[in-house]
Amino acid sequence: DTGVSQDPRHKITKRGQNVTFRCDPISEHNRLYWYRQTLGQGPEFLTYFQNEAQLEKSRLLSDRFSAERPKGSFSTLEIQRTEQGDSAMYLCASSPPAGSSEQYFGPGTRLTVT
Amino acid sequence: QKEVEQDPGPLSVPEGAIVSLNCTYSNSAFQYFMWYRQYSRKGPELLMYTYSSGNKEDGRFTAQVDKSSKYISLFIRDSQPSDSATYLCASMNRDDKIIFGKGTRLHILP
Repeated sequence: DTGVSQDPRHKITKRGQNVTFRCDPISEHNRLYWYRQTLGQGPEFLTYFQNEAQLEKSRLLSDRFSAERPKGSFSTLEIQRTEQGDSAMYLCASSPPAGSSEQYFGPGTRLTVT
Repeated sequence: QKEVEQDPGPLSVPEGAIVSLNCTYSNSAFQYFMWYRQYSRKGPELLMYTYSSGNKEDGRFTAQVDKSSKYISLFIRDSQPSDSATYLCASMNRDDKIIFGKGTRLHILP
């Protein structure tokens, strides 16, 4: 399968714990995006990378959130001291090098904070 | 006002009917327009991607963009039960940040 992959698919954690999600983009896609989707809403942009550089962060991304893409391939999104309001689907998307702005999404990681 | 507005539905139509899904946007800077299909508990799947105004057809799907009225449409011909899903319209300017509508839930009745 050559699509975007995300791991884990589901995560249940207790409030106050830290969680980390991983995204593997489509091979040779140099742009990688994180979005968050809550029930009944469309995805909302969180942040994006071009290669290893993080180019933009949404105001939705509080200080408890950090994303990395150290070698310009896979990316991780960490949430520290989780809150119940962090419960959502976290989606990763990737896009090929400049010339096409099409973004292809992975299956998402569903986070439940109890 | 949200930048991309979409009626959440649900919209129920009989199998074989033509489905019309619509949304509006407010930001004149948007240049790219997309429709994604999302099945329950799955990631969004890119259906149609258009640049600026005009029509684009792909099989049973036709996307229309009217930048003068800031109106985006998706038509599905010969609708099938497998088309039952949430359809997300989306727009983007050159900053690579997609703005999504809330999505319209579509049910195709066998």
